[in-house]
Amino acid sequence: DQQVKQNSPSLSVQEGRISILNCDYTNSMFDYFLWYKKYPAEGPTFLISISSIKDKNEDGRFTVFLNKSAKHLSLHIVPSQPGDSAVYFCAARATTSGTYKYIFGTGTRLKVLA
Amino acid sequence: DADVTQTPRNRITKTGKRIMLECSQTKGHDRMYWYRQDPGLGLRLIYYSFDVKDINKGEISDGYSVSRQAQAKFSLSLESAIPNQTALYFCATSDIRPGLAGGWQETQYFGPGTRLLVL
Repeated sequence: DQQVKQNSPSLSVQEGRISILNCDYTNSMFDYFLWYKKYPAEGPTFLISISSIKDKNEDGRFTVFLNKSAKHLSLHIVPSQPGDSAVYFCAARATTSGTYKYIFGTGTRLKVLA
Repeated sequence: DADVTQTPRNRITKTGKRIMLECSQTKGHDRMYWYRQDPGLGLRLIYYSFDVKDINKGEISDGYSVSRQAQAKFSLSLESAIPNQTALYFCATSDIRPGLAGGWQETQYFGPGTRLLVL
């Protein structure tokens, strides 16, 4: 049972355009969401996060949107650059009754074309 | 210098062998984690530790054990390796800070990964 889903395994975008990566979740107990970027042969790198009490968080070219009613999270990259080519993971955190876990999606491979 | 290091980076072992993967961090964080990544799956949490005396199981802890030797060191052991433990293993640390909109913001920092092959 995949609680965090990234339904698009890959995405190609022209340089300068907007990249939109999507993530859906099923657990309403998630209270915190994160996006990570991963280059080959490296560990994931934190990109941006959002608390469940907010619906938008922006950091430079990166904006994360949270739609709690739809249980949907998206990452917008504007403008996209070739260096943004990587695998992007969304993750969600649940903290309930002393248990604590991060659930990761399966990742979306973004390719930004020059 | 990397803040989170993992050794070894690559390891091939045989079924039934005991192996240890090591993680060290220089970030001064109390929280440390071990994840594994398999093709077609996201990262899955094996164990986590909030401080030296606190160890907790994640969602897939069976077949694994951990040791938090110091704040900076968190090792993962496979007591008797089996082929389905072939995966990419990541160690991570995290810090907690007040969020701008209230609450707490946690950021995880990952090591470069250890690729393990169990024959």
